[in-house]
Amino acid sequence: NAGVTQTPKFQVLKTGQSMTLQCAQDMNHNSMYWYRQDPGMGLRLIYYSASEGTTDKGEVPNGYNVSRLNKREFSLRLESAAPSQTSVYFCASSDGREREQYFGPGTRLTVT
Amino acid sequence: QKEVEQNSGPLSVPEGAIASLNCTYSDRVSQSFFWYRQYSGKSPELIMSIYSNGDKEDGRFTAQLNKASQYVSLLIRDSQPSDSATYLCAVNGALTGGGNKLTFGTGTQLKVEL
Repeated sequence: NAGVTQTPKFQVLKTGQSMTLQCAQDMNHNSMYWYRQDPGMGLRLIYYSASEGTTDKGEVPNGYNVSRLNKREFSLRLESAAPSQTSVYFCASSDGREREQYFGPGTRLTVT
Repeated sequence: QKEVEQNSGPLSVPEGAIASLNCTYSDRVSQSFFWYRQYSGKSPELIMSIYSNGDKEDGRFTAQLNKASQYVSLLIRDSQPSDSATYLCAVNGALTGGGNKLTFGTGTQLKVEL
């Protein structure tokens, strides 16, 4: 039981390049989330998927897109990376409302 | 006013002492509260959840909730050097599309000194 897994662990992009961050969970959770964590800003919600087939914007969605591929997988895409997107990205999952979220190991992204 | 506020610290306590971490929140309708521990360079790890007023104990950890005062705290008894980390308070709020939104504080850095 791996919990929440993310790939890649590290990535360096040049401004304007695109990439997709992958996330998968094996806990049969309905809801999945993407956060970014920046120094002094805490964790901020980018996008979420309350259940398979649905996605919605969080607090900071600009510059990102997501796909809920199936119940297990939720990907985050940066179409044209910008230096402001340099951050640590975490995927999380939960069993629904009022429930705790479990986090993946994170992806450290640097955009130069 | 931030939605979830924590003192950034660092909070330094000697080994074996009780560490007390505090958090206040602004949304009165919040029903679920969580404490996460985050080691440097690692992901947040859930250590406690609390849903009702009062205390909840799990091993060396005790979470305390006072909804009237909009206050959550975490006590760590017999603090160990391995407890040195950043502790994140998270407060639940419902999302319009379903699921739950966790609003995080910026965390309190705890240092347990030998």
